[in-house]
Amino acid sequence: GENVEQHPSTLSVQEGDSAVIKCTYSDSASNYFPWYKQELGKRPQLIIDIRSNVGEKKDQRIAVTLNKTAKHFSLHITETQPEDSAVYFCAPAGNMLTFGGGTRLMVKP
Amino acid sequence: GAGVSQTPSNKVTEKGKYVELRCDPISGHTALYWYRQSLGQGPEFLIYFQGTGAADDSGLPNDRFFAVRPEGSVSTLKIQRTERGDSAVYLCASSSNAGSTGELFFGEGSRLTVL
Repeated sequence: GENVEQHPSTLSVQEGDSAVIKCTYSDSASNYFPWYKQELGKRPQLIIDIRSNVGEKKDQRIAVTLNKTAKHFSLHITETQPEDSAVYFCAPAGNMLTFGGGTRLMVKP
Repeated sequence: GAGVSQTPSNKVTEKGKYVELRCDPISGHTALYWYRQSLGQGPEFLIYFQGTGAADDSGLPNDRFFAVRPEGSVSTLKIQRTERGDSAVYLCASSSNAGSTGELFFGEGSRLTVL
């Protein structure tokens, strides 16, 4: 099965700074690379995704970069805001999503 | 409804009892997934349906766990002889993608507590 690791497990930044979370995976057949955000007590929600034929995708303050050769992809959040505080999960996928252990992001005002 | 609906939202049961958790996916979504999430961890895959059939049940931990989706819409996750280690939030998600993976829309989850 797929082995997924996220780093760091917790990340604390000052409001306005950037945050980067990295995800490594093992299955070379994975072809879909999403990031989910889960606020406390809420359901996970997709924030950005990328497919294997693309190296980078950006949506306003968030971006995802993919290095398929090295089997890792990263989430980049710029100009962080307190409402970005949440747990973020990567979930590389072939037929189904395998979630990482999560990264708790804390944005201090 | 507009989103994925799960019932019950909370279930407290005693060790050894039988439990059913229900998921009503977004109308028209052919793919349906069950995950479970323990505190401080990521969602753990259990089973995936494409239509009425289980396309991948490799995540079911043992034969006490079973899931059905008889008409290709609502799904029920069934847990027999519950154990304290089964306590978790059980998440259901649906997707419109058939044949390729795409965005999963999650329900609010069913929190199971086994005493």
